[in-house]
Amino acid sequence: DAKTTQPNSMESNEEEPVHLPCNHSTISGTDYIHWYRQLPSQGPEYVIHGLTSNVNNRMASLAIAEDRKSSTLILHRATLRDAAVYYCIPLQGGSEKLVFGKGTKLTVNP
Amino acid sequence: SQTIHQWPATLVQPVGSPLSLECTVEGTSNPNLYWYRQAAGRGLQLLFYSVGIGQISSEVPQNLSASRPQDRQFILSSKKLLLSDSGFYLCAWSYSNYGYTFGSGTRLTVV
Repeated sequence: DAKTTQPNSMESNEEEPVHLPCNHSTISGTDYIHWYRQLPSQGPEYVIHGLTSNVNNRMASLAIAEDRKSSTLILHRATLRDAAVYYCIPLQGGSEKLVFGKGTKLTVNP
Repeated sequence: SQTIHQWPATLVQPVGSPLSLECTVEGTSNPNLYWYRQAAGRGLQLLFYSVGIGQISSEVPQNLSASRPQDRQFILSSKKLLLSDSGFYLCAWSYSNYGYTFGSGTRLTVV
């Protein structure tokens, strides 16, 4: 499995953009980059995933570096509800297992 | 649409007692099913996963076992609980790696 490095914690103010970085320098060519988040006392929820191109959905945007060794999850306007632990997970196509690292704990200040 | 049900939401059990947690998925067939545990203040640990009826893979040696008696049913069991089995247990399903959906979890306290 590819190793990932994420900051332990980050802080943001409400309604400001947040950029959550992830380094995955050992990623293989067939690994998708998945992002999940876990709100307090809840199970994780899917945020976004991508392979090579930048991706957008209603929750966030995912910017993937050209060499694919890093990616950034972008929350365009943070809300208090976005306070959670965010996990970056490279996942090989055909792999059966989603393995979580330590993630980044995001605090959103009002 | 697909839904995942997990129960109970909370459970307090004495040391040495048995455990059975059930998870069911609706609206899909032949899903991959998973059991995760999160101990207090710790990360999410994959315990078991299953790609089909009767097919169980264990990720870590432990006091727990899993079974999949039906396509959309996944059960986590223990014959004798230990204090260290306390934690937040989560069931999840996926289909072809496209988005894993997690249940609401069971918070187990072993006393």
